[in-house]
Amino acid sequence: EAGVTQFPSHSVIEKGQTVTLRCDPISGHDNLYWYRRVMGKEIKFLLHFVKESKQDESGMPNNRFLAERTGGTYSTLKVQPAELEDSGVYFCASSQDLASGANVLTFGAGSRLTVL
Amino acid sequence: RKEVEQDPGPFNVPEGATVAFNCTYSNSASQSFFWYRQDCRKEPKLLMSVYSSGNEDGRFTAQLNRASQYISLLIRDSKLSDSATYLCVVLRSSASKIIFGSGTRLSIRP
Repeated sequence: EAGVTQFPSHSVIEKGQTVTLRCDPISGHDNLYWYRRVMGKEIKFLLHFVKESKQDESGMPNNRFLAERTGGTYSTLKVQPAELEDSGVYFCASSQDLASGANVLTFGAGSRLTVL
Repeated sequence: RKEVEQDPGPFNVPEGATVAFNCTYSNSASQSFFWYRQDCRKEPKLLMSVYSSGNEDGRFTAQLNRASQYISLLIRDSKLSDSATYLCVVLRSSASKIIFGSGTRLSIRP
């Protein structure tokens, strides 16, 4: 079974540019999450999709961040325009059944974003 | 106050030692608890779930104390390969919330 895959693994852009990160969850997982870890800080929740719907986007830092999950399969996270403080590792995770607790989160390897 | 708190460490212990760390949570509605392990520059990976009765997986023992609102992880006979950051994860399924602690860094020395 393929795991959660993320692309690109590393992106280096200049302040003001746009970057789009992609996440392909495990097939059949309705729940998809984006998280971010900035240097020296804890992993912070960004948002949660259930299929194509945004269940919770309370963690999105501001309107420069836009997440989509058209068709309820893969998801994209766009940052436009990127700022220096957006640098960090963006993790995607998926889950089959949140309530069961038995199979909580499987993470992708992360997309490292460096904004210069 | 953070909803999930962990001692950031680092814990630096010799190989073969027993090490334990706690994680406290503030929301009594929290329902499920997990320990994840994260190696440097890698994604977090599930180490073990934490059950109310406590559970053991080889050298690892996890416990939950709902009254005092903390979970613990005990590692016996530590190995060099146990060096990593251990993340406490708390789930409140009623709110679809999954909250991470900041992680505890563990370093095992030969």
